[in-house]
Amino acid sequence: DARVTQTPRHKVTEMGQEVTMRCQPILGHNTVFWYRQTMMQGLELLAYFRNRAPLDDSGMPKDRFSAEMPDATLATLKIQPSEPRDSAVYFCASGLSPGGRYNEQFFGPGTRLTVL
Amino acid sequence: KQEVTQIPAALSVPEGENLVLNCSFTDSAIYNLQWFRQDPGKGLTSLLLIQSSQREQTSGRLNASLDKSSGRSTLYIAASQPGDSATYLCAVTGNTPLVFGKGTRLSVIA
Repeated sequence: DARVTQTPRHKVTEMGQEVTMRCQPILGHNTVFWYRQTMMQGLELLAYFRNRAPLDDSGMPKDRFSAEMPDATLATLKIQPSEPRDSAVYFCASGLSPGGRYNEQFFGPGTRLTVL
Repeated sequence: KQEVTQIPAALSVPEGENLVLNCSFTDSAIYNLQWFRQDPGKGLTSLLLIQSSQREQTSGRLNASLDKSSGRSTLYIAASQPGDSATYLCAVTGNTPLVFGKGTRLSVIA
């Protein structure tokens, strides 16, 4: 049963600390997406990769957020330093997108981040 | 910039009723539209994907339609059950990946 996995599932940290969230996409998928969900804004796209190359990270606050894909089985989203307004649920999704078109996306369970 | 709107924001119906959830989008140049279900505190489960060339997709008691020219999609749920209670999100893909609506929170009362 192939699925996207994310760790940790929950994270509570203090303002100013570094936070790293990890995602393992479904094997064989070539696109990976990071989303953030809050009550006020709903789901927002932060960044995405195709074939491990970053395509767009315009949704991220560049000064504190960074996203990478060290290899095809791991995507990371890092916040340094974290702030209370970063409190949200962060979702990773993966999909198979041949020829540049985005097909069905499959979501992980999310990381619920609380910054005190 | 693509914007997706879902109406109503919340809906409560008695068990057994058929219901329709609405989704509209501002830019008709889409590749596909996807309906998701999200249970409280959980991730998103993909329900149906409609390609831009298709008019509808069906899965069990769910039927999703797409009218690309008017920028609308509907999700029809037949014979609703309490287990259908969740938030339903629609999202469209065009030149950029998924743009989401804010969702419709559905409660099916036994």
